[in-house]
Amino acid sequence: EAGVAQSPRYKIIEKRQSVAFWCNPISGHATLYWYQQILGQGPKLLIQFQNNGVVDDSQLPKDRFSAERLKGVDSTLKIQPAKLEDSAVYLCASSPQLQNNEQFFGPGTRLTVL
Amino acid sequence: DAKTTQPTSMDCAEGRAANLPCNHSTISGNEYVYWYRQIHSQGPQYIIHGLKNNETNEMASLIITEDRKSSTLILPHATLRDTAVYYCIVRLVNDYKLSFGAGTTVTVRA
Repeated sequence: EAGVAQSPRYKIIEKRQSVAFWCNPISGHATLYWYQQILGQGPKLLIQFQNNGVVDDSQLPKDRFSAERLKGVDSTLKIQPAKLEDSAVYLCASSPQLQNNEQFFGPGTRLTVL
Repeated sequence: DAKTTQPTSMDCAEGRAANLPCNHSTISGNEYVYWYRQIHSQGPQYIIHGLKNNETNEMASLIITEDRKSSTLILPHATLRDTAVYYCIVRLVNDYKLSFGAGTTVTVRA
């Protein structure tokens, strides 16, 4: 079974630029999560989708971050404009159902904002 | 508002059992104890979870005290590949959110 795929693996941008990350969850998984992990900290949930609908985006900085999951499969997370404090690893995870016990994580995208 | 307390780091010897403690003194009756680990440059990986009873799977054992205020994750025969950050997480039974703390950095030494 293929795991959660993310791209790119690394991205370096300057502040005020825009950036987008892509996630392809495990086939058939209805629930998709985006996390932000700052160096030295545990991951923090940004947004959660159930199929193509948003379940929870309370931790998403909506003035600069946006996410979508068209057709309930792939998802993109965008930052516009980026700030220095956005430097982090952005992790995507998926699970079969909303309250499934196990979340499957991708390898993450490491973003550096200069 | 961390719900769990874990040591910052610990070492263990290859081939020996690794016992990772976690305190969750404010846990309620409808909250699970979850363990995930994160190997360097990878995403977190689910290990095990439990509610009241002890649990065992192919990766580890989870021992939960009778009062449920603390638990121990046991890796029965640690290998160098078990070097990782281990997260103990308390999660509501009817919720989906995982709130990760800083975890315990476990280093397995040859």
